[in-house]
Amino acid sequence: DSGVTQTPKHLITATGQRVTLRCSPRSGDLSVYWYQQSLDQGLQFLIQYYNGEERAKGNILERFSAQQFPDLHSELNLSSLELGDSALYFCASSEGAGGSNEKLFFGSGTQLSVL
Amino acid sequence: QQQVKQSPQSLIVQKGGISIINCAYENTAFDYFPWYQQFPGKGPALLIAIRPDVSEKKEGRFTISFNKSAKQFSLHIMDSQPGDSATYFCAASKGAQKLVFGQGTRLTINP
Repeated sequence: DSGVTQTPKHLITATGQRVTLRCSPRSGDLSVYWYQQSLDQGLQFLIQYYNGEERAKGNILERFSAQQFPDLHSELNLSSLELGDSALYFCASSEGAGGSNEKLFFGSGTQLSVL
Repeated sequence: QQQVKQSPQSLIVQKGGISIINCAYENTAFDYFPWYQQFPGKGPALLIAIRPDVSEKKEGRFTISFNKSAKQFSLHIMDSQPGDSATYFCAASKGAQKLVFGQGTRLTINP
């Protein structure tokens, strides 16, 4: 068990809808990262938050947004969902801001199915 | 320039054999090269990582070999066991942010 908690484990929704994925980092970790895993694109970095502030941005669509709250949990909001958004969404956490000596710990993911 | 190319896509090794997975990167600014192991239904778990100032790092049965001039690195699993059957991902980044992952290698260890 990595100590990173993601809810829900599975989410089934329809095109055009909006969903929220939730992540609780390991105790003491200040950074939260969101990754998307799909068969065609593999594992892709979306966004990182460090202590409540956006720290790094990757291939995140404008329809997607994230935030990190004062208790350090994070939410990833996906809106105007399309079939192609169906994927496994992972949250990871690390102790600091993402330096090269840090280790990322991944949660078990949220499987999103858009029908 | 951000790609990490991983091979092979799948690999079958006999129990006790050596499993070898290779990765190549393009961005010379990358300074962090981890390998992750993923079991079905689970998230990736960090296995071992290396910085570019060393050519090899060993942890138990797992070894990373790193060739900075060729921009390649590889994972060797010695004495491979059925419990090692999983999908392995190499990754690279500047710092630990924005990890760029390879496409993954599905490893099967036959008993």
